[in-house]
Amino acid sequence: DGGITQSPKYLFRKEGQNVTLSCEQNLNHDAMYWYRQDPGQGLRLIYYSQIVNDFQKGDIAEGYSVSREKKESFPLTVTSAQKNPTAFYLCASSVLQGVGENIQYFGAGTRLSVL
Amino acid sequence: ILNVEQSPQSLHVQEGDSTNFTCSFPSSNFYALHWYRWETAKSPEALFVMTLNGDEKKKGRISATLNTKEGYSYLYIKGSQPEDSATYLCASLRDSNYQLIWGAGTKLIIKP
Repeated sequence: DGGITQSPKYLFRKEGQNVTLSCEQNLNHDAMYWYRQDPGQGLRLIYYSQIVNDFQKGDIAEGYSVSREKKESFPLTVTSAQKNPTAFYLCASSVLQGVGENIQYFGAGTRLSVL
Repeated sequence: ILNVEQSPQSLHVQEGDSTNFTCSFPSSNFYALHWYRWETAKSPEALFVMTLNGDEKKKGRISATLNTKEGYSYLYIKGSQPEDSATYLCASLRDSNYQLIWGAGTKLIIKP
């Protein structure tokens, strides 16, 4: 089935540790996005990428890093510099066609907690 | 950063009743307005994308309208069913760079 796969579903981070969240898509979409969700808030953009080997910071990029070595994959690393990493993380992808037409398709999310 | 506001935050509706809720967004530099449905333990799924003032879109019992001049969109659900229980998110396209600014959502609970 075509779609977006995020793993793991749950992740625990120890103090000072970097952790990586996986996001893979087989939709052949050019654009991929990482969002963070906190209770009572809208999804906030961490990073996005529109082409392989290129990515842009979103509104809350500090303490996070990404790579886009393959079209299908857009892993997110939560570094030790992110002091409040506990949140639900969603990965999404979309085609790039005409401004406004880019419906985003989402994975099932990763819930990250700090030990 | 654009602010997208949704109201109410949550809503309890009796099965069979109709309901609606609101998404407000800045009307300047408008590109598009997206609606998504997010059921518990599932991924958000797109309902509608609207770009033109006065747009009305419909999918089954769910419909949406758009007023870009005053910066609001309504989502309507006719004859609510238990499967309509979900969080409904709206998002405004902030610029031509395909970035969406999201509201916090309206959580809809249908009471049987």
